[in-house]
Amino acid sequence: DMKVTQMPRYLIKRMGENVLLECGQDMSHETMYWYRQDPGLGLQLIYISYDVDSNSEGDIPKGYRVSRKKREHFSLILDSAKTNQTSVYFCASRRTGRQNTLYFGAGTRLSVL
Amino acid sequence: QQKVQQSPESLIVPEGAMTSLNCTFSDSASQYFAWYRQHSGKAPKALMSIFSNGEKEEGRFTIHLNKASLHFSLHIRDSQPSDSALYLCAVSGTGGYKVVFGSGTRLLVSP
Repeated sequence: DMKVTQMPRYLIKRMGENVLLECGQDMSHETMYWYRQDPGLGLQLIYISYDVDSNSEGDIPKGYRVSRKKREHFSLILDSAKTNQTSVYFCASRRTGRQNTLYFGAGTRLSVL
Repeated sequence: QQKVQQSPESLIVPEGAMTSLNCTFSDSASQYFAWYRQHSGKAPKALMSIFSNGEKEEGRFTIHLNKASLHFSLHIRDSQPSDSALYLCAVSGTGGYKVVFGSGTRLLVSP
């Protein structure tokens, strides 16, 4: 069964706290993504990972960093979270190939107070 | 940087009508063109994709691509209330890895 799992589903943090969002996939996909979704802005690309320890900035990387030490697992880290990082974060995975589908996790709703 | 824009922002159609959604992109070397559907509170899910100029039909859904016009579209025949969702178009550029999404069209199909 093809699945992308995100944890936690909901998270409330105070401004200045560190945040760790985790994503796992069971399809051995090489490529993984982190997006954030805000009302009226669609999905904005934060980071891409091509495989273990091979990551690249997306369109809005400022304030975020990522870690990928195993192919199945991709983490998004917010060091000293800011209120404008309140959003819904989606992880996706994709088999390498320019025409392949992205599979999304259910999302993490993060509130930074 | 790839720019992807969708129109309209929102749309209300009666059940049984034809729905047309539009997407424009800025990079003529783009290689992956897809529509994703997102029901409220759920994850986006791929609907269909196309890779070369022309038309592709799957059931009630048809996708058109015109690379020269930097435009592709999704048409839904016999729209159903269950089609009510946010529709996102997605495009990837020359390298193929970076997938950029539009801001979405919110569709409501009224019974």
